[in-house]
Amino acid sequence: DAKTTQPPSMDCAEGRAANLPCNHSTISGNEYVYWYRQIHSQGPQYIIHGLKNNETNEMASLIITEDRKSSTLILPHATLRDTAVYYCIVSMDTGRRALTFGSGTRLQVQP
Amino acid sequence: GAVVSQHPSRVICKSGTSVKIECRSLDFQATTMFWYRQFPKQSLMLMATSNEGSKATYEQGVEKDKFLINHASLTLSTLTVTSAHPEDSSFYICSARTSGGVETQYFGPGTRLLVL
Repeated sequence: DAKTTQPPSMDCAEGRAANLPCNHSTISGNEYVYWYRQIHSQGPQYIIHGLKNNETNEMASLIITEDRKSSTLILPHATLRDTAVYYCIVSMDTGRRALTFGSGTRLQVQP
Repeated sequence: GAVVSQHPSRVICKSGTSVKIECRSLDFQATTMFWYRQFPKQSLMLMATSNEGSKATYEQGVEKDKFLINHASLTLSTLTVTSAHPEDSSFYICSARTSGGVETQYFGPGTRLLVL
């Protein structure tokens, strides 16, 4: 699976949009971009995933650049409950592969 | 999204005893489940891949005789930590992949193990 690079930490004001970047310059054509988050002492929570097109669901939006070498997860109106470690993971959608977690971005939403 | 449960959520045991952790996919069938371990302030590390009806596949450095995995049905995988020692104290998390369409992995809430 392709390696990802994320900033170690970010702050965001409550109510503002949180934009979390991820670099995956070695991504291959059949690899998806997945985003998970882990709130303290809980299991990771699935947020969103995409291949080429931008995606949106009730939790977030995922913007993938045209060359697919980077992406941005957008939480449109961050709340204190969005404070967590956010993981960007690149993985093929085949077989029985586990997801490989990097160190992620620790997002702190400030009141 | 799909729901994965784990039981127990936390367990304290004495050194030398065995502990069993259950992982269930509640609203979908999972032929493959994964077991991860997370030490404080570290990321998740894959321990093993659990395949329904066959032997688990362990990652390098994970002792298969110490961490016994059984995946007897399409909705249940168990991890037994045998002869637990204090260094086995950790946060154990399971996950299961949905099948059909784009496979997505969903995680359980985790089990915190403390070995005294």
